Amino acid sequence: AQSVTQLGSHVSVSEGALVLLRCNYSSSVPPYLFWYVQYPNQGLQLLLKYTTGATLVKGINGFEAEFKKSETSFHLTKPSAHMSDAAEYFCAVSHPANQAGTALIFGKGTTLSVSS
Amino acid sequence: DAGVIQSPRHEVTEMGQEVTLRCKPISGHNSLFWYRQTMMRGLELLIYFNNNVPIDDSGMPEDRFSAKMPNASFSTLKIQPSEPRDSAVYFCASSSLRTTGTFYEQYFGPGTRLTVT
Repeated sequence: AQSVTQLGSHVSVSEGALVLLRCNYSSSVPPYLFWYVQYPNQGLQLLLKYTTGATLVKGINGFEAEFKKSETSFHLTKPSAHMSDAAEYFCAVSHPANQAGTALIFGKGTTLSVSS
Repeated sequence: DAGVIQSPRHEVTEMGQEVTLRCKPISGHNSLFWYRQTMMRGLELLIYFNNNVPIDDSGMPEDRFSAKMPNASFSTLKIQPSEPRDSAVYFCASSSLRTTGTFYEQYFGPGTRLTVT
């Protein structure tokens, strides 16, 4: 069975500092991986995704993530935090080869706070 | 495109009443998902449909919950009777199913905040 673990339910950084949000997955085969962001009182918005090919993927708002199969990780980074990045971030995984179709499995989420 | 549309955005009801949440997926998407989000349990998948057919409803918490998708452009999630523990934000998402059997990314609606008193 697939699962997603997000280490740290709350991360705080200063404006301009590096953002690192951790995500580890469990899957019997290489999965498809996603990061979503949720701003207060809004739905989830796709930040970036990994399906196949290049393991470093770039998303919106300057975020990127690297798929590391050996570490079963898909950590999200941004070189310089901005106040507008304060939100909740969700890592998600799906199985790429299920004939019936597989829904996303979400992690518990990490709340990012950015201070000035 | 208008994106996924959900109504109502907010619903306050008394325990025991019937609640119906509505969702219009993105035109052309053939898969639809209902999620529930609470502080305690995070984001949970309740049920999803492919081509209007329910595929996995194992996340539906009890028989009080039911979902339908009568056509490709409309789905409902009904709770009858409602209870205070059903208070949560309910999200609808839509996607397309690849020929390989997995999905393209999901697009979420703004959610319905349900409060049961």
